[in-house]
Amino acid sequence: DTEVTQTPKHLVMGMTNKKSLKCEQHMGHRAMYWYKQKAKKPPELMFVYSYEKLSINESVPSRFSPECPNSSLLNLHLHALQPEDSALYLCASRSTLDGITLHFGNGTRLTVT
Amino acid sequence: DQQVKQNSPSLSVQEGRISILNCDYTNSMFDYFLWYKKYPAEGPTFLISISSIKDKNEDGRFTVFLNKSAKHLSLHIVPSQPGDSAVYFCAASDNAGNMLTFGGGTRLMVKP
Repeated sequence: DTEVTQTPKHLVMGMTNKKSLKCEQHMGHRAMYWYKQKAKKPPELMFVYSYEKLSINESVPSRFSPECPNSSLLNLHLHALQPEDSALYLCASRSTLDGITLHFGNGTRLTVT
Repeated sequence: DQQVKQNSPSLSVQEGRISILNCDYTNSMFDYFLWYKKYPAEGPTFLISISSIKDKNEDGRFTVFLNKSAKHLSLHIVPSQPGDSAVYFCAASDNAGNMLTFGGGTRLMVKP
């Protein structure tokens, strides 16, 4: 099982809404990531959790709030987003075999209106 | 400053021929390099990787070559198939593995 599952697949929210993106993996990986990808651009790192602790925050605005309830789950809480935050949000977990390779989910396509 | 660059935004190849995708990097601390393939509306899928102690790694139709002195790597796909049409991202990591730095991607189109 090399699957990272993200829900929902699509999300439309207003600028005053609060919503959450969810990510789950059952591969026993201990590092999990949030990336943001805009059209025709590479994925940009947002957050890294290692052993359920936040280890990297790439200066992401506080309207994005990550949470790692346990080693299999990763959430991204969204509040007061801007239209320019519309993007594909990708979750990934890091392989324990080589400690390098990331396995990505299919992403959540977020539209902020 | 982009540390990983893919200078060709797109590449068109005939089915059955070789596809060569190129990637350059600037950071000497990068120790491990990966190629990902991405279809629209899906996440990136890992294809093949190479450690800096090697200069070649092969997996079926996919071969990655690394030239450390030139800070250059390439992905060869032989023979190319229409199903290979996708965006290909090169990525690099230091040996700590905390984060991957991605190139801008190359859109490959394989024509039947």
